[in-house]
Amino acid sequence: NAGVTQTPKFRILKIGQSMTLQCTQDMNHNYMYWYRQDPGMGLKLIYYSVGAGITDKGEVPNGYNVSRSTTEDFPLRLELAAPSQTSVYFCASSLTGTGGGYEQYFGPGTRLTVT
Amino acid sequence: DAKTTQPPSMDCAEGRAANLPCNHSTISGNEYVYWYRQIHSQGPQYIIHGLKNNETNEMASLIITEDRKSSTLILPHATLRDTAVYYCIVRAPAIYGGSQGNLIFGKGTKLSVKP
Repeated sequence: NAGVTQTPKFRILKIGQSMTLQCTQDMNHNYMYWYRQDPGMGLKLIYYSVGAGITDKGEVPNGYNVSRSTTEDFPLRLELAAPSQTSVYFCASSLTGTGGGYEQYFGPGTRLTVT
Repeated sequence: DAKTTQPPSMDCAEGRAANLPCNHSTISGNEYVYWYRQIHSQGPQYIIHGLKNNETNEMASLIITEDRKSSTLILPHATLRDTAVYYCIVRAPAIYGGSQGNLIFGKGTKLSVKP
């Protein structure tokens, strides 16, 4: 299994541009998550999904959108990029009923800089 | 969710056991103890979790005291690749419709494994 994969690894955006961060998992996990991690800080949950067609906001959803059309994919869309969105973005997945729901598997991250 | 307290840093000699403590004196009866680590510039990695009993897997052992107010993560034979920040997290089981899977990382313990 590849686990959780994310593309791209790095990206530089200009203010006002848009982009989609891709996330795919091959573990047949029903839960998927997007977090951001600012330098020296902990993770903040952006959006999560409990299954295909179902998404919900996390702690910091403003400026982002998600969709979940398949079990495997959970793309994160940034509209009108702002410098405050400069961060490392991690996608994660987990399986209902395992470990109380917090046994999450993370991708390698996308490092995004908005200038 | 219960608050956790960890030492900010620890050193360990390569090949020796690394014992990382975590205090969670306000833990509730249904809260699990999870351990994650984050190697520099990588995504967080799930290590192990437990509720009451001691747990062991291929990566580590988790020892939870009988009163559940503290726990210890044991890496039996630390290697240089185990150098990372280790996070102890206490969470109640994720409930459908609630804030699913919001892993809240504190400051953790920076473990340095030295040759």
